[in-house]
Amino acid sequence: SQQGEEDPQALSIQEGENATMNCSYKTSINNLQWYRQNSGRGLVHLILIRSNEREKHSGRLRVTLDTSKKSSSLLITASRAADTASYFCATGSSYNTDKLIFGTGTRLQVFP
Amino acid sequence: DAGITQSPRHKVTETGTPVTLRCHQTENHRYMYWYRQDPGHGLRLIHYSYGVKDTDKGEVSDGYSVSRSKTEDFLLTLESATSSQTSVYFCAIRTGEMETQYFGPGTRLLVL
Repeated sequence: SQQGEEDPQALSIQEGENATMNCSYKTSINNLQWYRQNSGRGLVHLILIRSNEREKHSGRLRVTLDTSKKSSSLLITASRAADTASYFCATGSSYNTDKLIFGTGTRLQVFP
Repeated sequence: DAGITQSPRHKVTETGTPVTLRCHQTENHRYMYWYRQDPGHGLRLIHYSYGVKDTDKGEVSDGYSVSRSKTEDFLLTLESATSSQTSVYFCAIRTGEMETQYFGPGTRLLVL
């Protein structure tokens, strides 16, 4: 079964607005990662947050992690049309560090 | 792009025929992965390898086999293709201790 579930499934915003997407997971994790996928392409790693971290920033990206609620959020500030893509969370289990479990993704559409 | 290539990039085949997809990397990473991506399911792990001749199953391994006879190549074989195996297949490698994965461009497989 899928470990990560993203919410919402789809999100449409205007350029300049912020986009927030959420990920929930089920079991104990070592880390949580976010990936972006442009249409027809492979996934690209964006950011990794470890289980002992609560917040992490990278450019216009801000990731939070709440292990007590088993949830994470990805915030993209000042969105651009080029941010249009699908975004996936992936969790690294505490029990098996070899694998990542991916969620079903959030499709983000940013209108110019 | 972490030097990952997949071949073929597109394939159309008939039910019951064997199909082999190839993933090739140029940087001698230990871990390699095969995923399939289907609408509504995100990415699901088929098999992965943690070294030459060392492989393990993922969550959707039925109907698939893999081989890794040298570090740079990871082969995915559909022994007898079925229409349910129509999908986009992604190969990924894992780099070092950071546990992030880098993806190839994908192979679109259509089983008629």
